[in-house]
Amino acid sequence: GDSVTQMEGPVTLSEEAFLTINCTYTATGYPSLFWYVQYPGEGLQLLLKATKADDKGSNKGFEATYRKETTSFHLEKGSVQVSDSAVYFCALSNFGNEKLTFGTGTRLTIIP
Amino acid sequence: DADVTQTPRNRITKTGKRIMLECSQTKGHDRMYWYRQDPGLGLRLIYYSFDVKDINKGEISDGYSVSRQAQAKFSLSLESAIPNQTALYFCATSDFSGTSGLNEQFFGPGTRLTVL
Repeated sequence: GDSVTQMEGPVTLSEEAFLTINCTYTATGYPSLFWYVQYPGEGLQLLLKATKADDKGSNKGFEATYRKETTSFHLEKGSVQVSDSAVYFCALSNFGNEKLTFGTGTRLTIIP
Repeated sequence: DADVTQTPRNRITKTGKRIMLECSQTKGHDRMYWYRQDPGLGLRLIYYSFDVKDINKGEISDGYSVSRQAQAKFSLSLESAIPNQTALYFCATSDFSGTSGLNEQFFGPGTRLTVL
């Protein structure tokens, strides 16, 4: 079945540092890929998405590129802020499956 | 107003009690989902519904039941709560994904359930 593996946390960085959170997937066919973010005390909200190979999703300074050859969708941001502290989830959706499969989440803490 | 609402937001109950968690949405979506979140395990799907007459089990449905009372309402019940059902529960909605495989889901704020 489909699965998502993402970087173990927690991750702690200083403000303005470069961020990478790794995500790899296993799926048949051509899944759509997502990053969701969960701020403290809130539900998940979509951060960015990509629907086909080589697509780049971007939002709020975050980027992720759909790499079919390495089955990866790593999340990056050039300069993190304290307000980026949250839990980040990588997920996929496969046509015909119609459900989201989530990774285990990575807790990110940014210190001033 | 929030598009997806959950009640209650917090609940503490005792082993063996029946509990109902409610979800309402104003997004007009046909599809609704219930997940539970546990530390280190991410989100796991309990049940999902693609319309009022369609209910499907997810990967961890044992010990849970659901009711889709209307397009906008989807309730999760624990018939006899046990301590390992202590978790954060999320409701989500989505629209039909068509041919793209895209399935963006919109989440409620969550219900924190503690079973003593």
